[in-house]
Amino acid sequence: GNSVTQMEGPVTLSEEAFLTINCTYTATGYPSLFWYVQYPGEGLQLLLKATKADDKGSNKGFEATYRKETTSFHLEKGSVQVSDSAVYFCALYSGAGSYQLTFGKGTKLSVIP
Amino acid sequence: NAGVMQNPRHLVRRRGQEARLRCSPMKGHSHVYWYRQLPEEGLKFMVYLQKENIIDESGMPKERFSAEFPKEGPSILRIQQVVRGDSAAYFCASSKRVIGRGGDTQYFGPGTRLLVL
Repeated sequence: GNSVTQMEGPVTLSEEAFLTINCTYTATGYPSLFWYVQYPGEGLQLLLKATKADDKGSNKGFEATYRKETTSFHLEKGSVQVSDSAVYFCALYSGAGSYQLTFGKGTKLSVIP
Repeated sequence: NAGVMQNPRHLVRRRGQEARLRCSPMKGHSHVYWYRQLPEEGLKFMVYLQKENIIDESGMPKERFSAEFPKEGPSILRIQQVVRGDSAAYFCASSKRVIGRGGDTQYFGPGTRLLVL
């Protein structure tokens, strides 16, 4: 079946530090890949997505590249801000008759001034 | 363009009571998905509905849980005879059409946090 594995948190960084959150997946076919962000007490917001191999999704300074050879979709940001503190979820959609998103367990990021 | 609306945002029930969670999709979206998030966990798919039809309920518990998306009005997730293990955040998402390669995306509501005492 489909699965998503994220690096476990929590991750604590100083402001302006470089961020990487690892995400690897197992899926049949050619899934679409997503990063969602959840701020405290809120729902999930789509951060970025990629729908085919070698696509790079980007938004608000965050980037992730769809790597089929390593089945990975790592999230990166060059310089984090306190306002980036949130829980980040990697997810996939495999299609092929399945309508659901499969999520990782989430990685909590805390950015300190 | 309003986003996905869910209400109530917080719901407290005693064991054995019923919980009704409502979701209004984004304007122009006719596909609704329900997910459950347990503490410290990712979201788990429950059910996918289109107007008046349940398309995929493979993630729904077999008993006590039901969902509908009537022709008029919001989608409803109903939990009968709630137990403490039902305490979780329930999220609704909507999309214009089923996601395919290069296709559409699910947009999430703020969630309903259910607490069963």
